[in-house]
Amino acid sequence: NAGVTQTPKFQVLKTGQSMTLQCAQDMNHEYMSWYRQDPGMGLRLIHYSVGAGITDQGEVPNGYNVSRSTTEDFPLRLLSAAPSQTSVYFCASSPTGTGYSEQYFGPGTRLTVT
Amino acid sequence: SQQGEEDPQALSIQEGENATMNCSYKTSINNLQWYRQNSGRGLVHLILIRSNEREKHSGRLRVTLDTSKKSSSLLITASRAADTASYFCATDAWSGGYQKVTFGTGTKLQVIP
Repeated sequence: NAGVTQTPKFQVLKTGQSMTLQCAQDMNHEYMSWYRQDPGMGLRLIHYSVGAGITDQGEVPNGYNVSRSTTEDFPLRLLSAAPSQTSVYFCASSPTGTGYSEQYFGPGTRLTVT
Repeated sequence: SQQGEEDPQALSIQEGENATMNCSYKTSINNLQWYRQNSGRGLVHLILIRSNEREKHSGRLRVTLDTSKKSSSLLITASRAADTASYFCATDAWSGGYQKVTFGTGTKLQVIP
């Protein structure tokens, strides 16, 4: 099993550009989540999905879109990048509710917006 | 402020010593989990303790939970250089119709060989 994979590993964007961060898991997990990690802030939940076709907002959803057309993939779209979105982004999956079982994290995408 | 807040923010110990880090939270929880993050990597799950449990062990890890004080501690015994990492607690609670998992800001542990 590859677990949770994320691409790209690093990305530099100019303000106003859009892009999609890719996330895939091969463990047949129902739950998938996107977090951002900023220095001194811990991880903050952006969006999450409880299964294919079902997504919802987390703590800091503004400026991001998600969709879940398959169990395996959960892409995160930045609509119009802003310097405040400079961060490290982590995708995670879990077999059941995120609090009732461990989450498996991807290696992260380090995004810089100039 | 964070639902889960760890202290200390940073901890430096000699190899072989025990490391203790604490997590405090504000609202009632269902479960509390501890994760480790090596520099530049994703988080790795260490242990989950349910709200009706008081203590749990896993290898060199011991986690306690005191729901009356809304706090948890993670003890790593006989630390090794490979334990150098950041440690995060994560609490979950129902919020606005979904199960919200909140991560603390982490404790950065350095184990000196």
